[in-house]
Amino acid sequence: DQQVKQNSPSLSVQEGRISILNCDYTNSMFDYFLWYKKYPAEGPTFLISISSIKDKNEDGRFTVFLNKSAKHLSLHIVPSQPGDSAVYFCAASVTGANNLFFGTGTRLTVIP
Amino acid sequence: DTAVSQTPKYLVTQMGNDKSIKCEQNLGHDTMYWYKQDSKKFLKIMFSYNNKELIINETVPNRFSPKSPDKAHLNLHINSLELGDSAVYFCASSRNPGTGVGQYFGPGTRLTVT
Repeated sequence: DQQVKQNSPSLSVQEGRISILNCDYTNSMFDYFLWYKKYPAEGPTFLISISSIKDKNEDGRFTVFLNKSAKHLSLHIVPSQPGDSAVYFCAASVTGANNLFFGTGTRLTVIP
Repeated sequence: DTAVSQTPKYLVTQMGNDKSIKCEQNLGHDTMYWYKQDSKKFLKIMFSYNNKELIINETVPNRFSPKSPDKAHLNLHINSLELGDSAVYFCASSRNPGTGVGQYFGPGTRLTVT
């Protein structure tokens, strides 16, 4: 049973425009959410996170929004750059547990 | 310097064989993990070790046996390999067990069982 879902397997965006990647979760116990970025032949690398006590966290061009009532989070990248082309994984955890639950990823392609 | 390294990067073997994948981290982390990414790109935790002790063991066949000789190493041994074991296996480590955050991943080992 997949508790974290990314329903869009791929997304293409023009350079300079906004990229919006979406993620839904089913477990209401999750209280920490993360986005990882993965290039081919490399492991996922941590990008940005958000605690359930917040609804927004910003780091440079990357902003994560959390809507707890909808069990939905999104990652906004603006402006998008060709180097952002990668697979983005959403992940969730419960504080006190030691497990990260991952979505299946969204492949972002930024077109120059 | 590579923070989390895995060897080998690629592994092709036949059904029924026994193989090992090695993982090392030089970050001084106390917790290490093994994840499996299957053909559907679903990344799922298999094991977690904290200070050489097993703390998570998801529903994984007994043919998979992790071994942690010290807290910088977590190796994965697989007996009697099956076709369904073909996947990419990622090792990871983190400083803080119990939060699941800040995990650093290795580059992955692509295992192909023929």
